[in-house]
Amino acid sequence: DAEITQSPRHKITETGRQVTLACHQTWNHNNMFWYRQDLGHGLRLIHYSYGVQDTNKGEVSDGYSVSRSNTEDLPLTLESAASSQTSVYFCASSPGTGHGRDTEAFFGQGTRLTVV
Amino acid sequence: ILNVEQSPQSLHVQEGDSTNFTCSFPSSNFYALHWYRWETAKSPEALFVMTLNGDEKKKGRISATLNTKEGYSYLYIKGSQPEDSATYLCAFTGAGSYQLTFGKGTKLSVIP
Repeated sequence: DAEITQSPRHKITETGRQVTLACHQTWNHNNMFWYRQDLGHGLRLIHYSYGVQDTNKGEVSDGYSVSRSNTEDLPLTLESAASSQTSVYFCASSPGTGHGRDTEAFFGQGTRLTVV
Repeated sequence: ILNVEQSPQSLHVQEGDSTNFTCSFPSSNFYALHWYRWETAKSPEALFVMTLNGDEKKKGRISATLNTKEGYSYLYIKGSQPEDSATYLCAFTGAGSYQLTFGKGTKLSVIP
């Protein structure tokens, strides 16, 4: 079955370290997204990609970067982790085919990141 | 930044009660409105995607309606059960975009 997986599921890191969260989907979806979930804010968009070599900033992109070298993967990198980046991170993908349910997003199981 | 509002923020109902929530979104440049169900410690799960004004969708005891001209959608749950306890999210997608902008959700607790 096609799926979207995130790794690791939990991570603790120190302030100032570079951290990369992995996201891998096997649906062959064009679109991939990274969100963070914080109390009182719901899901906020960090970065997104509409295809290979395409990346775009979302609402809360400062301190984060992504790269899309293939269809399946969109890793999220925290360049220099800060305590304000302690959060639960969700990756999602959607078909982006231009018709039908092309915007319906499927979510990974989340990564809980703690920056100490 | 698009404004997607959900109300109420939280809701407690007795088992068997019917309930409804509201999602308001920009009425211009509309493409799609999504409803998700999100259980604690799990990932959001899609319930409905609606694209046309007047759309009505139904899945079991859960249904949703869409009014794009005035910018609102309702989610209805008939005869709530404890397993319906979850946070219900709505998300807006604008024309020319594939992004989902989420509301903060309505947390439903169904008391047995």
